[in-house]
Amino acid sequence: EAGVAQSPRYKIIEKRQSVAFWCNPISGHATLYWYQQILGQGPKLLIQFQNNGVVDDSQLPKDRFSAERLKGVDSTLKIQPAKLEDSAVYLCASSLSSSGDDGYTFGSGTRLTVV
Amino acid sequence: KQEVTQIPAALSVPEGENLVLNCSFTDSAIYNLQWFRQDPGKGLTSLLLIQSSQREQTSGRLNASLDKSSGRSTLYIAASQPGDSATYLCAVKDGATNKLIFGTGTLLAVQP
Repeated sequence: EAGVAQSPRYKIIEKRQSVAFWCNPISGHATLYWYQQILGQGPKLLIQFQNNGVVDDSQLPKDRFSAERLKGVDSTLKIQPAKLEDSAVYLCASSLSSSGDDGYTFGSGTRLTVV
Repeated sequence: KQEVTQIPAALSVPEGENLVLNCSFTDSAIYNLQWFRQDPGKGLTSLLLIQSSQREQTSGRLNASLDKSSGRSTLYIAASQPGDSATYLCAVKDGATNKLIFGTGTLLAVQP
């Protein structure tokens, strides 16, 4: 089966600019996750979708980050305006079950550099 | 609050050695534990998934064990190869929050 697809792979922007990332999960996976991984740290959950509804966005900086999952398939994560500390790898993952007990499958990530 | 710790932070071994990576977690109430591999600048590749009712899982040269009561997991890599060089992350599916909580990883270098 095809994996989790993410684009772009790399992005360099200036602070205060906006940026958007795209994710296409594995076909049939109802649950989609966005993670932020700062260099030298483990990934941290930003937002979790169940189909097209938000399950958990408690760690999403809502003043600048937004995400949507239209039609319960693809998802986009947006940052506006970006700050230097947003430099990180943004990982998308999906799982078949709503609980994620079947394990998570991650995409290759988008490496964002804010200068 | 669930916390996941991985020791050592970095490890360098000669090719052919068997090695063990350690992962510990503070709350034993977990649904499962997953080991991932991450190559530089890349995403995460799932290696092994151990459900809370299981003691170990094996895939090729990899063996992961889980001792939920003591809050520990080990990833055993047999006959290491330079291609095994990567960062290895463990993550637990926390029973209280239902979130996947990651450790900070072990950076492994296998010298040819």
